[in-house]
Amino acid sequence: ILNVEQSPQSLHVQEGDSTNFTCSFPSSNFYALHWYRWETAKSPEALFVMTLNGDEKKKGRISATLNTKEGYSYLYIKGSQPEDSATYLCAFRSNFGNEKLTFGTGTRLTIIP
Amino acid sequence: DVKVTQSSRYLVKRTGEKVFLECVQDMDHENMFWYRQDPGLGLRLIYFSYDVKMKEKGDIPEGYSVSREKKERFSLILESASTNQTSMYLCASSLLGTTSTDTQYFGPGTRLTVL
Repeated sequence: ILNVEQSPQSLHVQEGDSTNFTCSFPSSNFYALHWYRWETAKSPEALFVMTLNGDEKKKGRISATLNTKEGYSYLYIKGSQPEDSATYLCAFRSNFGNEKLTFGTGTRLTIIP
Repeated sequence: DVKVTQSSRYLVKRTGEKVFLECVQDMDHENMFWYRQDPGLGLRLIYFSYDVKMKEKGDIPEGYSVSREKKERFSLILESASTNQTSMYLCASSLLGTTSTDTQYFGPGTRLTVL
């Protein structure tokens, strides 16, 4: 079983502050790294799919970077807003030839107004 | 927009009952997945299917079976529900992975309680 870890487990951030958290994954057999946002009582929603070492993706105030050689990805949120409160999941896909994603346990982000 | 729906948001069953969780997607996706999510653990894959009548075991298939008779519908079956199957169950679908960027689209989840 592949090991995908996220840190921290939870985070409280003041509205307007910026924050970041980490996803660690195996540095071998890399195929893709997915980030999802999961708001309470809603479906997990795809944020980014990252495939190349050094990739940077951006969606509004949220961005992500990828380092496949050392096996980590960072998610950044700039100027946090209450609507950013959610659990952020990363998921690793290996190049073993099927569609399976291995998920981390998530980072639960709470924005304090 | 892709829509993945699950038959129930909340379900309460008794130990030993046979339980069916249904999932339907409307985007003609080949792949469908069943996960469970428990506190302190990531989403764990139970089963997935890449075509009608095809299925593959995920990481925790014990105590579960699946059925995919039509492309849009993927059912998870608990043959004899047990209390350790109390969990949040999520269904997802995706296109057959011809590119590395194919994302999975999730349903809203079914919170199952087994008494």
